[in-house]
Amino acid sequence: GQQVMQIPQYQHVQEGEDFTTYCNSSTTLSNIQWYKQRPGGHPVFLIQLVKSGEVKKQKRLTFQFGEAKKNSSLHITATQTTDVGTYFCAPRGSGYSTLTFGKGTMLLVSP
Amino acid sequence: DGGITQSPKYLFRKEGQNVTLSCEQNLNHDAMYWYRQDPGQGLRLIYYSQIVNDFQKGDIAEGYSVSREKKESFPLTVTSAQKNPTAFYLCASSPQRNTGELFFGEGSRLTVL
Repeated sequence: GQQVMQIPQYQHVQEGEDFTTYCNSSTTLSNIQWYKQRPGGHPVFLIQLVKSGEVKKQKRLTFQFGEAKKNSSLHITATQTTDVGTYFCAPRGSGYSTLTFGKGTMLLVSP
Repeated sequence: DGGITQSPKYLFRKEGQNVTLSCEQNLNHDAMYWYRQDPGQGLRLIYYSQIVNDFQKGDIAEGYSVSREKKESFPLTVTSAQKNPTAFYLCASSPQRNTGELFFGEGSRLTVL
């Protein structure tokens, strides 16, 4: 089956610092989605990447899909306390019908 | 408002008892999913259904059962055969089979005493 590794598992930053989480797959992907889960909440969809090398931005968030479509990253510029939560990547492999979720990166932001 | 409703939000059960978690959606989505979340484990797929009267096992289906008699409803039964049932259970739906974003309910937290 598809193996997904997400790193780091946890990161604690000061407000204003940047943050990056990485997602690596053992197989070539058809697409990848990213979700955010606030403490005590449920996952909320952020974005989907489909094309090789694709880069998408949402305000301070930048999402990248690797050229080989095996990895992806989420970068947050100048973190804010509202960014606190766990960020999950959810790749979809070629030929697979369901998403596989990474274990997530928990982000803590201190004011 | 359109969305996914899970109930109950919190549930306590004794060992050896079956329990059914409700999931209802009014988004007119074809596909529905059940995930289990444990601390540090991410989300693991239990069962999914892409059309009424059909469903497939996910990665951790043992000890669980589902039904999909109506498009709007996808209840999950945690049976006494599930060895470690204490977890946070999330129901989700998506508009299309095999593609599209997932819309999650608020979850049901099950504790086995």
